[in-house]
Amino acid sequence: GDSVTQMEGPVTLSEEAFLTINCTYTATGYPSLFWYVQYPGEGLQLLLKATKADDKGSNKGFEATYRKETTSFHLEKGSVQVSDSAVYFCALTVSGSARQLTFGSGTQLTVLP
Amino acid sequence: NAGVMQNPRHLVRRRGQEARLRCSPMKGHSHVYWYRQLPEEGLKFMVYLQKENIIDESGMPKERFSAEFPKEGPSILRIQQVVRGDSAAYFCASSPGDPGSYEQYFGPGTRLTVT
Repeated sequence: GDSVTQMEGPVTLSEEAFLTINCTYTATGYPSLFWYVQYPGEGLQLLLKATKADDKGSNKGFEATYRKETTSFHLEKGSVQVSDSAVYFCALTVSGSARQLTFGSGTQLTVLP
Repeated sequence: NAGVMQNPRHLVRRRGQEARLRCSPMKGHSHVYWYRQLPEEGLKFMVYLQKENIIDESGMPKERFSAEFPKEGPSILRIQQVVRGDSAAYFCASSPGDPGSYEQYFGPGTRLTVT
């Protein structure tokens, strides 16, 4: 079946530090890949996406590149802010499937001032 | 432009009672998904519905859980005879259903507590 493996947290960084959250996947078909962010007490917000190999998704300074050869979609940001503190979820959906999202377990990020 | 609406935001039920969770998709969206998030875990798919049809319920527990998306009105996730293990956050997501469009937009969730 399909699965997503995320770097375990929690991750604590100082403001302006570089962020990487690792994400690898296995999929029965050709997946589209997503990063979602969840702020405390809220639902998930789509952060960025990539639908084919070598695509780079980007938003709000975050980036992730769809690497088919390594089945990875690592999230990066060059300089984090306190407001980036949240839980980050990597997810996939497979073309032709019922479109359900398969999520990783989430990575808690805390950014200290 | 309202997003996905869920109510109630918080629901407390005693063991054995019924819980009814409501979800109104974004305007123009005809596909609804329900996910459950247990404490300290990621989201797990439960069911995928279109208007008046259940498309995929492979993630639904076999007993006590049901879902519907009627022609008019919100989608309902119903849990009968709740148990403590049903305590979780339940999220609804919607999508327009266009071919090749896989983005889902999430509501704020309903946090169910079973006492």
